[in-house]
Amino acid sequence: QSALTQPPSASGSPGQSVTISCTGTSNDVGGYNYVSWYQHHPGKAPKLMIYEVSKRPSGFPDRFSGSKSGNTASLTVSDLRAEDEADYYCSSYGGSNNLLFGGGTRLTVL
Amino acid sequence: EVELVESGGGLVQVGGSLGLACVGSGFTFSNSWMSWVRQAPGKGLEWVGRIKSKTSGGTTDYPAPVKGRFTISRDDSKNTVYLHMNSLKNEDTAIYYCTTHHDPWEVNYWGQGTLVTVSS
Repeated sequence: QSALTQPPSASGSPGQSVTISCTGTSNDVGGYNYVSWYQHHPGKAPKLMIYEVSKRPSGFPDRFSGSKSGNTASLTVSDLRAEDEADYYCSSYGGSNNLLFGGGTRLTVL
Repeated sequence: EVELVESGGGLVQVGGSLGLACVGSGFTFSNSWMSWVRQAPGKGLEWVGRIKSKTSGGTTDYPAPVKGRFTISRDDSKNTVYLHMNSLKNEDTAIYYCTTHHDPWEVNYWGQGTLVTVSS
């Protein structure tokens, strides 16, 4: 069982928005702003999409946004496109020199 | 362009040892903190350790499941970070990814991974 809890799957139609949650505790997600999101197309290297809860690396589309409320972080993908179909993982500093990851969410574009 | 290329994966018996290497290019390797992250079959990602840059002390951190069994080291002259794994268990079977750090507790660039299979 992963340290951070994500729904195993999410889906949406092209053009729609979908939000993926990442739930931890006050000792990790809720306690620090070191929350990141990664997009992983199987067989390829994962890509950083969001860091420090809501910041986007330069050059990445603003269709991807991040937020946090309490012990839950969220990734929202707007204007869904076929190429967004992938696995998405969250990570958070877990305190005590430990980095935690979520179990991953498979996003399907219908 | 940042590139990370892992090597050294393979089949090893339970209780055995294996060493992985990761060569980085397209960035200033010596200034970079590096981590290894793994993904077991059908599971999520799991962090297995980090090494700071030498200018930051070059120290390492490991999570409980691998502490005392895994060792990360670096050779900045070869732009290479290593992961040496001892006393391997079935549950260490995974794809092992090399990553760079954006900040102390967030990774940014990833390699494509190398598969380690531990079999009894």
